Amino acid sequence: ETGVTQTPRHLVMGMTNKKSLKCEQHLGHNAMYWYKQSAKKPLELMFVYSLEERVENNSVPSRFSPECPNSSHLFLHLHTLQPEDSALYLCASSQDPDFSYEQYFGPGTRLTVT
Amino acid sequence: GENVEQHPSTLSVQEGDSAVIKCTYSDSASNYFPWYKQELGKGPQLIIDIRSNVGEKKDQRIAVTLNKTAKHFSLHITETQPEDSAVYFCAATPNTGFQKLVFGTGTRLLVSP
Repeated sequence: ETGVTQTPRHLVMGMTNKKSLKCEQHLGHNAMYWYKQSAKKPLELMFVYSLEERVENNSVPSRFSPECPNSSHLFLHLHTLQPEDSALYLCASSQDPDFSYEQYFGPGTRLTVT
Repeated sequence: GENVEQHPSTLSVQEGDSAVIKCTYSDSASNYFPWYKQELGKGPQLIIDIRSNVGEKKDQRIAVTLNKTAKHFSLHITETQPEDSAVYFCAATPNTGFQKLVFGTGTRLLVSP
């Protein structure tokens, strides 16, 4: 397995709910990423963290709030989402964000907003 | 910014045949081109990558070619097997100072026994 775990694997939430997605990497990497994968669209990079510091916020709506308390854990806090936010949310990690190291992906959280 | 186009969107082959997936990119400064395979219920997994200073790379049944002048790169799978059935994504990394993968839309490969 890739060494990147995500919980929960499936989540159904209403538009007024608040929930959080969790990602943990066991690879000793220094960079972590959140991606959104929607049907028939390319994977979209949302956020990049390097050594717990956010280095990229790819024009993501404020209803998505990332948190990286340490280099092994990454959260995505969700609030007042819209139905179009339903997608597979993938977490990834890499050894270093500055060079072309392989990104290891977790299995994703399938999010459905009702 | 970088834009990656991928074709075809679906590809059906018979076991033992070859499969080719093609991608084009727009940013001539992109320097890293990975290919990912995503099986049902799993995240994408890197299968092969190529850097801009190399024209071709091979790993057993999988090969990738890069044409920097034309800004396109291709994935070649020979002697396909049913377990090769998956969605394949190409990606390019523009030289932004950190690794920002820009993905294609994916190719669903189906290998029939």
